[in-house]
Amino acid sequence: DQQVKQNSPSLSVQEGRISILNCDYTNSMFDYFLWYKKYPAEGPTFLISISSIKDKNEDGRFTVFLNKSAKHLSLHIVPSQPGDSAVYFCAASNNNDMRFGAGTRLTVKP
Amino acid sequence: DVKVTQSSRYLVKRTGEKVFLECVQDMDHENMFWYRQDPGLGLRLIYFSYDVKMKEKGDIPEGYSVSREKKERFSLILESASTNQTSMYLCASSLIITSGRASEQFFGPGTRLTVL
Repeated sequence: DQQVKQNSPSLSVQEGRISILNCDYTNSMFDYFLWYKKYPAEGPTFLISISSIKDKNEDGRFTVFLNKSAKHLSLHIVPSQPGDSAVYFCAASNNNDMRFGAGTRLTVKP
Repeated sequence: DVKVTQSSRYLVKRTGEKVFLECVQDMDHENMFWYRQDPGLGLRLIYFSYDVKMKEKGDIPEGYSVSREKKERFSLILESASTNQTSMYLCASSLIITSGRASEQFFGPGTRLTVL
């Protein structure tokens, strides 16, 4: 039973436009949410996180939004760049328990 | 910079062989994790450890065991490899920061294991 779901396996956007990656979770005990980015042949690297006490966190071109009532979070990348092409994993945690989604493959076309 | 290293990038083994995957982290992290990554399934937790000699089962521990004799090293063991264990294996580590919460996880580069 997947507690964290990324329903879009892939997303393609044009360079310079906005990329929006979505994630849903089922466990209301999760209180910390993260996004990881993974290039081929490398391990995932941490990108940005948000605590459940916030609804938005911004870091440069990356913004994460959290809607607790809907158990939904999203990652916005503006403007998208070709180097952003990777697989993005959403993760949700409660203390030491961290669960990952299946990932969304983002392709940014020049 | 946190560094998590894994002993092999690519490994080919035969069915029934015993397989050891080694992971070492150099930042004195308490927590260490083993995941496998499969297409469409994301990262699934096999085992984790929050201290030396401590281990906890994750979501898919069947067919695997682990060992943590030293804080920096966490080993994944496939007692008798099977073809359905062909996968990408990722090791990760994290700190415990405040109130028992773990920091973000730092991942190794992964080991692509093929079982023939």
